Amino acid sequence: SQQGEEDPQALSIQEGENATMNCSYKTSINNLQWYRQNSGRGLVHLILIRSNEREKHSGRLRVTLDTSKKSSSLLITASRAADTASYFCATDEEAAGNKLTFGGGTRVLVKP
Amino acid sequence: NAGVTQTPKFQVLKTGQSMTLQCAQDMNHEYMSWYRQDPGMGLRLIHYSVGAGITDQGEVPNGYNVSRSTTEDFPLRLLSAAPSQTSVYFCASSYSREAGAQETQYFGPGTRLLVL
Repeated sequence: SQQGEEDPQALSIQEGENATMNCSYKTSINNLQWYRQNSGRGLVHLILIRSNEREKHSGRLRVTLDTSKKSSSLLITASRAADTASYFCATDEEAAGNKLTFGGGTRVLVKP
Repeated sequence: NAGVTQTPKFQVLKTGQSMTLQCAQDMNHEYMSWYRQDPGMGLRLIHYSVGAGITDQGEVPNGYNVSRSTTEDFPLRLLSAAPSQTSVYFCASSYSREAGAQETQYFGPGTRLLVL
């Protein structure tokens, strides 16, 4: 079973709008990571947020982590057509040793 | 640096055939792993290695073997291919930290496998 579950499964927005996607997980984590995957490509790391952090920024990306609710959100501000991709969260569970568990992803379509 | 490389990019097999998917990294990463991705789904961990000579099973190891004789290479072997193994396979590597703390994964471009 997947540790991280993204919501929504798919998202369609206009260029310039913000895109928000959420990730929920079940057990205690060391950190949570967000990745982007363009169609037919490998995954590219976006942001890593540790369990003792609440918010991180990277350019137009903002990630929050609420360990009490076991959830994280990824916000993409002022979206561009090039942001069209699938976005995955991955959790590093405390009890799972050296493993990352990926969610099913959110497919984001940014229309020009 | 080339990063993480995978070969082949695409492969068609018949049921029962065996093959090896190659993965190499030139970043001196200790941790390497193999995932499979099925349509519309996330990645599932097949096998992983925390260093040369050390491998362990992930979530879906059945039908696959791995070995790690060097830091750079981490081949994945399909012993007897089945249609259920049709998927896209990704290799990833990362720096290794203390146990239980995973760092940024660097992914290869993937191998698309079709088993007929």
